[in-house]
Amino acid sequence: DTGVSQDPRHKITKRGQNVTFRCDPISEHNRLYWYRQTLGQGPEFLTYFQNEAQLEKSRLLSDRFSAERPKGSFSTLEIQRTEQGDSAMYLCASSLAGTGSETQYFGPGTRLLVL
Amino acid sequence: AQSVAQPEDQVNVAEGNPLTVKCTYSVSGNPYLFWYVQYPNRGLQFLLKYITGDNLVKGSYGFEAEFNKSQTSFHLKKPSALVSDSALYFCAVSDNTGGFKTIFGAGTRLFVKA
Repeated sequence: DTGVSQDPRHKITKRGQNVTFRCDPISEHNRLYWYRQTLGQGPEFLTYFQNEAQLEKSRLLSDRFSAERPKGSFSTLEIQRTEQGDSAMYLCASSLAGTGSETQYFGPGTRLLVL
Repeated sequence: AQSVAQPEDQVNVAEGNPLTVKCTYSVSGNPYLFWYVQYPNRGLQFLLKYITGDNLVKGSYGFEAEFNKSQTSFHLKKPSALVSDSALYFCAVSDNTGGFKTIFGAGTRLFVKA
């Protein structure tokens, strides 16, 4: 068990560019979550997958944001036409399906800075 | 709708003294409550959770939390603080109404002074 990994750890981009982040969950975990965390705030839920199905999306996830988990393993989060307001830490978490109360294990995050 | 409040932005405590980090919540169904800790430049680490059963939950690194249904609180405690406990602590809640969204509080920064 190597834990949840995220790549890249840091990304600096110019406004208007597209960026893509990758998350590799703990291998046996079938649920995967994306969160956004800004300075001084707790993580805000963005979206969640069970296996390859995207089951819930937050209203925070505008049409510029898209997430995939094509084979039920790793996931990607793409932001198109980035804006300065997208600057944040993007966190990925995974869990093993159970009663709905299972613990989420977090990756180290990808810090995005949009100039 | 679910919500979590951490009323203190910062808690200061001397090493060796007991610490408490407060959390109150609101959910529609039965609450599932969690505490996570975040160290600088690192992801969130799970400390403990309450699902059902004993109101006093014990977790990692000597932390514990007490679930109080009447006060809708889930305060994090430790009998004797260490300098290494200094970090950002998040309370989180989800419920059993069918969704899997977890709502996090804004966080409380704990400073433990030697």
